[in-house]
Amino acid sequence: DAKTTQPPSMDCAEGRAANLPCNHSTISGNEYVYWYRQIHSQGPQYIIHGLKNNETNEMASLIITEDRKSSTLILPHATLRDTAVYYCIVRAHTGGFKTIFGAGTRLFVKA
Amino acid sequence: DAGVIQSPRHEVTEMGQEVTLRCKPISGHDYLFWYRQTMMRGLELLIYFNNNVPIDDSGMPEDRFSAKMPNASFSTLKIQPSEPRDSAVYFCASRGGQGGVPRETQYFGPGTRLLVL
Repeated sequence: DAKTTQPPSMDCAEGRAANLPCNHSTISGNEYVYWYRQIHSQGPQYIIHGLKNNETNEMASLIITEDRKSSTLILPHATLRDTAVYYCIVRAHTGGFKTIFGAGTRLFVKA
Repeated sequence: DAGVIQSPRHEVTEMGQEVTLRCKPISGHDYLFWYRQTMMRGLELLIYFNNNVPIDDSGMPEDRFSAKMPNASFSTLKIQPSEPRDSAVYFCASRGGQGGVPRETQYFGPGTRLLVL
């Protein structure tokens, strides 16, 4: 699976959009971009995933660049409860099913 | 569904003792994963099962660790003998889609916080 690079931490004001970047320059054509988050003392939670099109669900939006070498997770109206570590992962839906979690981005949402 | 269930939620033991962590995956999920999380090493995959069969145990740190899945609704991770460096949060996850979420999505349990003194 391709590796990802994320900033170690970010701040966001409550009510504003949080934009979390992820670089995955070695992504393969069959690899998807997944985002999970881990709120303190809980297990990681799935947020969203995509292959090459932008995706949106009730939690977030995922913007993937045309060359697929980077992506951005957008939390449109961040709340204090969105304070967590956000993991960007790339993996294929075939072959082995290892999911490698990197260090992630620690997002602090401030009042 | 109650989600992935893990027990105990907290465990404190002394070095040299046997520790058994338990996991009940989400019904209908065919993959089960065991992870360990520490501040130093982050979230590490230890082992995963497919249809109760261990597929990849390359992440198991050493022979003191063993995992079993006797049936589709139960798995254990055992450490014998335990050491202080085994102190960590151990997560169990199962894989499967529901409600429009892709089948490749992993659902994590609340974790077991292990402290070995």
